[in-house]
Amino acid sequence: GQQVMQIPQYQHVQEGEDFTTYCNSSTTLSNIQWYKQRPGGHPVFLIQLVKSGEVKKQKRLTFQFGEAKKNSSLHITATQTTDVGTYFCLDRGSTLGRLYFGRGTQLTVWP
Amino acid sequence: ETGVTQSPTHLIKTRGQQVTLRCSSQSGHNTVSWYQQALGQGPQFIFQYYREEENGRGNFPPRFSGLQFPNYSSELNVNALELDDSALYLCASSEGAYNEKLFFGSGTQLSVL
Repeated sequence: GQQVMQIPQYQHVQEGEDFTTYCNSSTTLSNIQWYKQRPGGHPVFLIQLVKSGEVKKQKRLTFQFGEAKKNSSLHITATQTTDVGTYFCLDRGSTLGRLYFGRGTQLTVWP
Repeated sequence: ETGVTQSPTHLIKTRGQQVTLRCSSQSGHNTVSWYQQALGQGPQFIFQYYREEENGRGNFPPRFSGLQFPNYSSELNVNALELDDSALYLCASSEGAYNEKLFFGSGTQLSVL
């Protein structure tokens, strides 16, 4: 079935460094959503990307949707300890009645 | 807070038993989806209910079943529990069944011994 591949699985950075996680699909995505899950918490919605080549920003977070709508990225500039958590992408709507999360990228930020 | 509540928060069962997990949707949401999340993994889609009908299912065996009630709350039932069923079970509600954002509950941590 449809799968969204997410890399890297883990990322350890020093506070102030940048961070990027990538999601890739072998097929065209209808739209993609990003979620953040803090340790011991539940996923929380961050953003939805729908259009080819779309770029959205939320303060230090930049989200991109590829031109072919087969990949997406989340970039955090100058990480802070509050950014710690696991970031997931979600293929939402490409296949009716199916929701596929990426495996997630676990971000650790050292002070 | 999302307004999505799950109960119980923790549960311990033994192999072969049956379990029912519950989820109350956020007000105004008509869709509920359920996920199994093993440690260090992404949420795995179990199924989705839209207006009391199942409208999507992931790769889970039939012993995973569910219901959605007229008030849009939902249950996940798992029969004949196996050790590998130990995981965090999350439900999420949304305003619709297609591309709306998901609001997650805090989950039920199930341990099967």
